[in-house]
Amino acid sequence: EAAVTQSPRNKVTVTGGNVTLSCRQTNSHNYMYWYRQDTGHGLRLIHYSYGAGNLQIGDVPDGYKATRTTQEDFFLLLELASPSQTSLYFCASSPGLGGKEQYFGPGTRLTVL
Amino acid sequence: GEQVEQLPSILRVQEGSSASINCSYEDSASNYFPWYKQEPGENPKLIIDIRSNMERKQIQELIVLLDKKAKRFSLHITDTQPGDSAMYFCAARLRSNYQLIWGSGTKLIIKP
Repeated sequence: EAAVTQSPRNKVTVTGGNVTLSCRQTNSHNYMYWYRQDTGHGLRLIHYSYGAGNLQIGDVPDGYKATRTTQEDFFLLLELASPSQTSLYFCASSPGLGGKEQYFGPGTRLTVL
Repeated sequence: GEQVEQLPSILRVQEGSSASINCSYEDSASNYFPWYKQEPGENPKLIIDIRSNMERKQIQELIVLLDKKAKRFSLHITDTQPGDSAMYFCAARLRSNYQLIWGSGTKLIIKP
């Protein structure tokens, strides 16, 4: 089964803080995604990538940066965290875009005080 | 941008009865429609999907119907069990950029 791991699993920071969320997949998938999940909004795509060094903007990118350093590793960066970014963050990977199954990580719960 | 509307947001059904979740989409060229299940405290997992060349697909107790003219698709769970209690998300793939657009989710509660 596809394996996607995320760290940390929980994070608390203060407004203005600097946060990096990490994601690693060991499936040799080309595509990786960062989502946030909030009640009433479902899954919203922040950024995605189709390979090392590539970054594509998703639907809710404001306040977030991302970097894909290798095929396996995709990072989400919040350089000036705000309370509105308190959310559950999921990373996912897939072999192709859209029409292929996405495999999700366990999620990171971020709280910005 | 493109949206997928998912209703209801909360659905309570008696164990053993059927549950139905409905989604509608805007892009008439969308051609792939997956459904994901998210159990409490877990990550979303694909449970069934349908492509635009089909109108109906069934995997055990899960049935997906697609009405391309109406731009609607639905998930039906027959003979619901306690293990079916979860969040369910629908999605539609845009033809323009192949991105998945997600519905806002349905919390299904199976009453004993």
